[in-house]
Amino acid sequence: NAGVTQTPKFRILKIGQSMTLQCTQDMNHNYMYWYRQDPGMGLKLIYYSVGAGITDKGEVPNGYNVSRSTTEDFPLRLELAAPSQTSVYFCASSSRNIQYFGAGTRLSVL
Amino acid sequence: KNQVEQSPQSLIILEGKNCTLQCNYTVSPFSNLRWYKQDTGRGPVSLTIMTFSENTKSNGRYTATLDADTKQSSLHITASQLSDSASYICVVLSQAGTALIFGKGTTLSVSS
Repeated sequence: NAGVTQTPKFRILKIGQSMTLQCTQDMNHNYMYWYRQDPGMGLKLIYYSVGAGITDKGEVPNGYNVSRSTTEDFPLRLELAAPSQTSVYFCASSSRNIQYFGAGTRLSVL
Repeated sequence: KNQVEQSPQSLIILEGKNCTLQCNYTVSPFSNLRWYKQDTGRGPVSLTIMTFSENTKSNGRYTATLDADTKQSSLHITASQLSDSASYICVVLSQAGTALIFGKGTTLSVSS
């Protein structure tokens, strides 16, 4: 049982480039989330989804887009990378009250 | 504003010793409070979840307490081990929405 899998683990982008952070879960969870974690700060919610075809903005959605075409996958898209998006990104899925997190993607925008 | 404050920011203890981490929150109304452990370079892992009606919950050497009246929670670690070195994050779910409010975490270092 792989749980929540994120790819890539690390990435360096140039300003203005775009990329997609992949997230997949094999637990058949309806709820999925994207968070960013900046150094010394708590996790901030970017976007979340309550099921396939349904997404909604979290606390810090600007500069990001998401889609949820299947229950398993919840990719996060950065269209025009900016230095402010340098962070560690965590995807999570949940069943009832327990959230399961992926290992994270460390992104640097230079 | 809904906030979760944790103290201390960091803590160093000797292996085998006990320690207590604190969490104060201003989230209201609140649904449940969680404690997560985050190892360096990894995602958070759930330790305990408590609703407002629960006062204490244990998970092995970890015991969480909750005082919903004073809006305080603590996480007590007994007989610490080197593998307990991690960041411990207090998280509160508001009844108002689906979003969790994360504290900044307490970084615990256990040395031999």
